[in-house]
Amino acid sequence: DGGITQSPKYLFRKEGQNVTLSCEQNLNHDAMYWYRQDPGQGLRLIYYSQIVNDFQKGDIAEGYSVSREKKESFPLTVTSAQKNPTAFYLCASSNANQPQHFGDGTRLSIL
Amino acid sequence: AQSVSQHNHHVILSEAASLELGCNYSYGGTVNLFWYVQYPGQHLQLLLKYFSGDPLVKGIKGFEAEFIKSKFSFNLRKPSVQWSDTAEYFCAVNGYRGTYKYIFGTGTRLKVLA
Repeated sequence: DGGITQSPKYLFRKEGQNVTLSCEQNLNHDAMYWYRQDPGQGLRLIYYSQIVNDFQKGDIAEGYSVSREKKESFPLTVTSAQKNPTAFYLCASSNANQPQHFGDGTRLSIL
Repeated sequence: AQSVSQHNHHVILSEAASLELGCNYSYGGTVNLFWYVQYPGQHLQLLLKYFSGDPLVKGIKGFEAEFIKSKFSFNLRKPSVQWSDTAEYFCAVNGYRGTYKYIFGTGTRLKVLA
């Protein structure tokens, strides 16, 4: 079955540590996205990528970094510069003007 | 800049009650509109979408939405809710002409009492 796989499901980070969240899709979608979901704030766009080796900042990119070396993969690194990283992170993919498909999410917590 | 407003943050209904969730967007051009649902412990899934044509669109599980261009609205409706409709609902907008960016509303948490 085609879909989006996010891993891990739960992730714990120590203060000052960078962590990387994985997102893989086998839907052959051009675009991939990272959102952050906080209670009462909906989904806020962190980064998105329309094509391999290119990506754009979303509304809350500070403290995050991404790469898009392969069409299928769009990992997100939460750096130590992100002051409030505890959240639920969602990865999505789509083609232009089409509905997005979402992964199951990664819940990041700070120890 | 595009934005999406969902005015109802929390809604509590009894089973068999009718549902209407508001969604307004700000964007002057042609848009694609979506409603997504997130059931407890599950990933977001598409309820319905509007691209063009009939402004009344029907989705899964008996949901429908009406696009009113003059009001920049895309409200979600269901005539009779069930306990299993308890979930969080998100409205989203995507600008036309090959753009990839989607804007989401803040979501509405619906609780249906059995």
